[in-house]
Amino acid sequence: GESVGLHLPTLSVQEGDNSIINCAYSNSASDYFIWYKQESGKGPQFIIDIRSNMDKRQGQRVTVLLNKTVKHLSLQIAATQPGDSAVYFCAENGSGAGSYQLTFGKGTKLSVIP
Amino acid sequence: EPEVTQTPSHQVTQMGQEVILRCVPISNHLYFYWYRQILGQKVEFLVSFYNNEISEKSEIFDDQFSVERPDGSNFTLKIRSTKLEDSAMYFCATLRDRGNNEQFFGPGTRLTVL
Repeated sequence: GESVGLHLPTLSVQEGDNSIINCAYSNSASDYFIWYKQESGKGPQFIIDIRSNMDKRQGQRVTVLLNKTVKHLSLQIAATQPGDSAVYFCAENGSGAGSYQLTFGKGTKLSVIP
Repeated sequence: EPEVTQTPSHQVTQMGQEVILRCVPISNHLYFYWYRQILGQKVEFLVSFYNNEISEKSEIFDDQFSVERPDGSNFTLKIRSTKLEDSAMYFCATLRDRGNNEQFFGPGTRLTVL
């Protein structure tokens, strides 16, 4: 079935460098794509979302890019810090009668090297 | 900042026993969700709940599962007869309204079925 998935399971980045985390999706009917951060032992934490009619959205130190042509989503983290170390999931909101269930990808573990 | 709380943080039970996982949503949120995450895997949607009824449920949410909001505050997930494969982290999430995508996740309950 259709799903959201990730290209790379792990990513190591030097502190201060920029990080890019990628995600491929297959459900072209999704309205929103969302990035979540999950630190060890905690629940997922919302980072940023992007609507399907946009191709870029910026937040504080984060940028999400959406390429609908190739069904690709990426999260860019500027000046990566040790506190950014976590597992990052892309997710899409579910289709259907507005229940807004999230379908998560497998996650990318980001490790920041001090 | 308001947050979703969950109790207990860890539940150990024998196979075949009933468990109830509890969640206190953020007070002005209207949509409630349960997700689970088997160790090392992605977060999976179980059920969504709105206006005191189930909006949508996944294939995982079979007859052994039920949800309710008995007193208007707590939102519970009951597993009637636990199986070994029910061992996972269970996350409650809440959403204020349909106008945004920021589901707030609780810290999770780790369920261990022996």
